[in-house]
Amino acid sequence: QKEVEQDPGPLSVPEGAIVSLNCTYSNSAFQYFMWYRQYSRKGPELLMYTYSSGNKEDGRFTAQVDKSSKYISLFIRDSQPSDSATYLCAIKEGGSEKLVFGKGTKLTVNP
Amino acid sequence: DAEITQSPRHKITETGRQVTLACHQTWNHNNMFWYRQDLGHGLRLIHYSYGVQDTNKGEVSDGYSVSRSNTEDLPLTLESAASSQTSVYFCASSESGPGGRDEQYFGPGTRLTVT
Repeated sequence: QKEVEQDPGPLSVPEGAIVSLNCTYSNSAFQYFMWYRQYSRKGPELLMYTYSSGNKEDGRFTAQVDKSSKYISLFIRDSQPSDSATYLCAIKEGGSEKLVFGKGTKLTVNP
Repeated sequence: DAEITQSPRHKITETGRQVTLACHQTWNHNNMFWYRQDLGHGLRLIHYSYGVQDTNKGEVSDGYSVSRSNTEDLPLTLESAASSQTSVYFCASSESGPGGRDEQYFGPGTRLTVT
């Protein structure tokens, strides 16, 4: 089993929809949880960063971590065409600088 | 503004040739990483460095090497290019230590084709 599992999609939604993106992981040592956004032919950029169970909100984006279930989610409210990108979850052990990435989910928001 | 750059942005080479991809960051970050990104596999770590003269193998290091002679640069060398190394390569850097958020900043990528 891969350390981080992420449904690659693709996911296509209408503008204004609520989007839910998810990852599961297997290693209990993972303590830091991130979501990166990658536009076509660009490098990934950090979108959300959290290190505890619960929710973290930033504008239209909410990151949710459930350590007991080893499950992380990213919710996008009122999705916009500009949100069309690939979203990658990334997870890190405490004391390590290395990230383990999910395969990424390609999202298209249709006007 | 601080940034991370990669060169070349596109490269076509032949099987068996040695190829070096450059990565340069101006954040003065300790940590630098090389990834490859392939459809169906996501981002996979090739090599990484936590400082000058330090290099470590990642998940998919066979056929690749790196050296770190200064803080700013981590060149990636393909010793003898193979078609299986056709991919998009990303360099990233991060800071660690007290007060460091350890976010990885990515370069724009190098698209390498081995024919």
